[in-house]
Amino acid sequence: EAQVTQNPRYLITVTGKKLTVTCSQNMNHEYMSWYRQDPGLGLRQIYYSMNVEVTDKGDVPEGYKVSRKEKRNFPLILESPSPNQTSLYFCASGGSSYYGYTFGSGTRLTVV
Amino acid sequence: TQLLEQSPQFLSIQEGENLTVYCNSSSVFSSLQWYRQEPGEGPVLLVTVVTGGEVKKLKRLTFQFGDARKDSSLHITAAQPGDTGLYLCAGANEDNFNKFYFGSGTKLNVKP
Repeated sequence: EAQVTQNPRYLITVTGKKLTVTCSQNMNHEYMSWYRQDPGLGLRQIYYSMNVEVTDKGDVPEGYKVSRKEKRNFPLILESPSPNQTSLYFCASGGSSYYGYTFGSGTRLTVV
Repeated sequence: TQLLEQSPQFLSIQEGENLTVYCNSSSVFSSLQWYRQEPGEGPVLLVTVVTGGEVKKLKRLTFQFGDARKDSSLHITAAQPGDTGLYLCAGANEDNFNKFYFGSGTKLNVKP
């Protein structure tokens, strides 16, 4: 089954403790992206990647890092999480942004 | 400020009624997509429109892309309770099609 898999689904952590949210896709897509979804603000792009070793900032990249060492994986790294990063995070992949994405099921992150 | 403005924000209607959701921008988009999102899940792609003036139909859903590629609409005929959900428009800006923007969404509730 074609899918984007994110882990974990739920995560509660403390301020400053580094964490990684994993994302994997099995569709051989070149394009992958991370979003956060907040009430009243909608979905906002954090980082995107056009291919292996090619990444760029979206609208809200501060406090996040990404890497794309393999085509299928695109982890999101929070080096020093803060409470304002509490949010619902989505990973997505697609052949290109032009035609739209397949989204993962989301990771609900709470930073206390 | 959202690059894509959706209206209305909320819509509660009876089963069998028709409705239209609007997505507007002052920017030109190379393509526009519509997604539907259920609570706790990732958005699911419904359609992509790429040509100004394009109309696409998906069963009872009709999607239109404005001639100037700055706006789009989603029309649902004879709404059913199964249509309940959050409808999101999204698109790749013509200046940088790798950067992707979402509207704030329209929350639709169809009452039986």
